[in-house]
Amino acid sequence: GQNIDQPTEMTATEGAIVQINCTYQTSGFNGLFWYQQHAGEAPTFLSYNVLDGLEEKGRFSSFLSRSKGYSYLLLKELQMKDSASYLCAAYSGAGSYQLTFGKGTKLSVIP
Amino acid sequence: EAGVTQFPSHSVIEKGQTVTLRCDPISGHDNLYWYRRVMGKEIKFLLHFVKESKQDESGMPNNRFLAERTGGTYSTLKVQPAELEDSGVYFCASSLTNSPLHFGNGTRLTVT
Repeated sequence: GQNIDQPTEMTATEGAIVQINCTYQTSGFNGLFWYQQHAGEAPTFLSYNVLDGLEEKGRFSSFLSRSKGYSYLLLKELQMKDSASYLCAAYSGAGSYQLTFGKGTKLSVIP
Repeated sequence: EAGVTQFPSHSVIEKGQTVTLRCDPISGHDNLYWYRRVMGKEIKFLLHFVKESKQDESGMPNNRFLAERTGGTYSTLKVQPAELEDSGVYFCASSLTNSPLHFGNGTRLTVT
């Protein structure tokens, strides 16, 4: 089985940088996804890490350490529209492409 | 490109009734998934279709749930008979092979 842990809530100021951590314990692991979900909407894909290291995509970056079972999502130059839930999900890759999700981190961006 | 669409967006039914949820994946996506989020819990995998075949249905909670994808296009998820604990948001997602999942907005099911 797989267990994903991430903080329940975080608050950050507009224009600042915030880091959302995710730890995972898995019986099989082939990659780590980050999704953004606004209330009542679909989760939308942000990033996918397979190898150790940092993947940068505009204001968002994601980091993975397979040996530590750890990932983080870094959001820079925060905007009010970044207020959302951020979901960490592990991909087993074992034949089926099912994802195991964490409960999500609700980020509130304040002026 | 149209995204993954789900119908209905909301459904309120009584315990013991039947409900059918529909998902239209992105055109050309062979992979279709059903996930569910119950109150206060994480999103959990239900099953995975590759075209019209069930690749993995290990997440289906019990035999009251039946998913189909006839013709390999849209999919339906039927709950019969519905129980109170089936309440939650049911998400459908689709993808190309070895590509990220694209999710629909979900169907919020309330069983009273």
